[in-house]
Amino acid sequence: DQQVKQNSPSLSVQEGRISILNCDYTNSMFDYFLWYKKYPAEGPTFLISISSIKDKNEDGRFTVFLNKSAKHLSLHIVPSQPGDSAVYFCAASLTNNDMRFGAGTRLTVKP
Amino acid sequence: DGGITQSPKYLFRKEGQNVTLSCEQNLNHDAMYWYRQDPGQGLRLIYYSQIVNDFQKGDIAEGYSVSREKKESFPLTVTSAQKNPTAFYLCASSVAGTSGHRSNEQFFGPGTRLTVL
Repeated sequence: DQQVKQNSPSLSVQEGRISILNCDYTNSMFDYFLWYKKYPAEGPTFLISISSIKDKNEDGRFTVFLNKSAKHLSLHIVPSQPGDSAVYFCAASLTNNDMRFGAGTRLTVKP
Repeated sequence: DGGITQSPKYLFRKEGQNVTLSCEQNLNHDAMYWYRQDPGQGLRLIYYSQIVNDFQKGDIAEGYSVSREKKESFPLTVTSAQKNPTAFYLCASSVAGTSGHRSNEQFFGPGTRLTVL
């Protein structure tokens, strides 16, 4: 039972444009959401997070939006850069730090 | 430098052999985790430990065992009972804490790719 879903396995955008990565979850008990970025043969690195008490969190070029009623969150990257090309994992956690990950979306930013 | 190390980066084993993957952290984190990643799937939790000498099964613990004798170390043994052990294994750690705080962030090691021949 996959509680966190990333339905788009890949996304390709042009440099300078906006990248929007989407994530849906099923468990309404999740109260903290995170995005991780992963390069090949490396571990994921933390990118940005949002608590369930907020609907938006911004950090430089990265913004995460949370829509609790739709159980949906998205990551916006603007402007996209070739160095942003990686696999992005959405994660959701419960109060006991139990974290569930989506399958990932491979983002390719073309120069 | 604070961080998490996993060794080796690549590991080959014959079918039926047990193998132990190393994970060490010097971040003074209480909690440690083991995940496996398979193509087209997210990270799936194998085991986690919130404190020394204590650990809990994750979603796919069958065929695996762990120990947590020291705060810094959380080795994972892939036993011969694991039916499909070939995968990319990731270790992570975090500050154990309540939700809504930065402590939910997990720091990952570089991973070990295990191939069973």
